[in-house]
Amino acid sequence: KQEVTQIPAALSVPEGENLVLNCSFTDSAIYNLQWFRQDPGKGLTSLLLIQSSQREQTSGRLNASLDKSSGRSTLYIAASQPGDSATYLCAVSLLSSNTGKLIFGQGTTLQVKP
Amino acid sequence: DAGVTQSPTHLIKTRGQQVTLRCSPKSGHDTVSWYQQALGQGPQFIFQYYEEEERQRGNFPDRFSGHQFPNYSSELNVNALLLGDSALYLCASSFRGANQPQHFGDGTRLSIL
Repeated sequence: KQEVTQIPAALSVPEGENLVLNCSFTDSAIYNLQWFRQDPGKGLTSLLLIQSSQREQTSGRLNASLDKSSGRSTLYIAASQPGDSATYLCAVSLLSSNTGKLIFGQGTTLQVKP
Repeated sequence: DAGVTQSPTHLIKTRGQQVTLRCSPKSGHDTVSWYQQALGQGPQFIFQYYEEEERQRGNFPDRFSGHQFPNYSSELNVNALLLGDSALYLCASSFRGANQPQHFGDGTRLSIL
């Protein structure tokens, strides 16, 4: 059974700091991995999607890496800003799934202090 | 281009009641997935609908049922509500499922008293 774990559960940093969020998964037979952002009481916004054949994806100040063999992904946020404060979720879809069902971690809640 | 829309945004029910949540997919999408997100947890997959049929189901009891209409919109029904059903219910749409990127709505916050 695929399990997705995110560490740390919460993180507080001063504005301007570079930071790394971690995601691990137990079954390497994934189709892709996504990082989402969730603001309080809101839905999910997709940040980056990495196909299983890729090593990393970049969008602006965000960079996500994927090491399928070790079951790990990291989300790197450069020069953090107070507007980055949110919960970040990673999710995987399995090769064995014909529906793209997503399996989520519990999220990391980030607070960036001005 | 309208994204995924869900209604209502908030709902309060009492134990034992029944509830229906609604979702309209993003334009051009034909597949709808439903997720339950308890407070402080990641979303859990409930089921997916494609071509008006349930294509896959997560580990949820039969009290949870759904429907997809010919216009691809979908409903999630929950019967005999329990306190533990209190959660944010998220709808995601995609094109033909099968590992296509999913777009999420803002969810319906369901509170059970």
